[in-house]
Amino acid sequence: NAGVTQTPKFRVLKTGQSMTLLCAQDMNHEYMYWYRQDPGMGLRLIHYSVGEGTTAKGEVPDGYNVSRLKKQNFLLGLESAAPSQTSVYFCASSYRTGDGTDTQYFGPGTRLTVL
Amino acid sequence: RKEVEQDPGPFNVPEGATVAFNCTYSNSASQSFFWYRQDCRKEPKLLMSVYSSGNEDGRFTAQLNRASQYISLLIRDSKLSDSATYLCVVPQAYGGATNKLIFGTGTLLAVQP
Repeated sequence: NAGVTQTPKFRVLKTGQSMTLLCAQDMNHEYMYWYRQDPGMGLRLIHYSVGEGTTAKGEVPDGYNVSRLKKQNFLLGLESAAPSQTSVYFCASSYRTGDGTDTQYFGPGTRLTVL
Repeated sequence: RKEVEQDPGPFNVPEGATVAFNCTYSNSASQSFFWYRQDCRKEPKLLMSVYSSGNEDGRFTAQLNRASQYISLLIRDSKLSDSATYLCVVPQAYGGATNKLIFGTGTLLAVQP
């Protein structure tokens, strides 16, 4: 049981390049999330998914796209990277309680630098 | 007022000390609260949940004051291994089907030998 895994762990991009971050969970969780963490800002929700085939915007969705083609995977795409997207990206997943009690389990993070 | 506010610290305490962190939140309708722990360059991990007035787990006690809209985390007999950033987290209804977690910026604790 690996929990939540993320690939890659580190990446350096040039402005304008594209990339996809992969998140996988083996806990059969319905909900999955993508966050970014920046100094002094706390974690902010980018996009989330409440089930296979569904996605929704979070707090800071601009410049990102997501897909959830399989229940266990949640992909985050950057079509044209910008220096403002330099951050640490965390994926998380949770059980379907929806009443405020569901614990979110986080992946180890991806450190992305955009030059 | 920020949705969730924490003193960033750092709190430098000696081993064995008792230390407390406070967190204030703005949404009076929030029903449940969490403390997550985040080690340097690692992912956040759930430390404690608080659903009513408080919760205790070993050396850790979380308390909730709804009237003043703050939650606190008390750590007794601090260990070197307690050194980390402690994130205050408040869920809020989001999109009807799930809950958005509002994260504080964290309080840094450094336990000194």
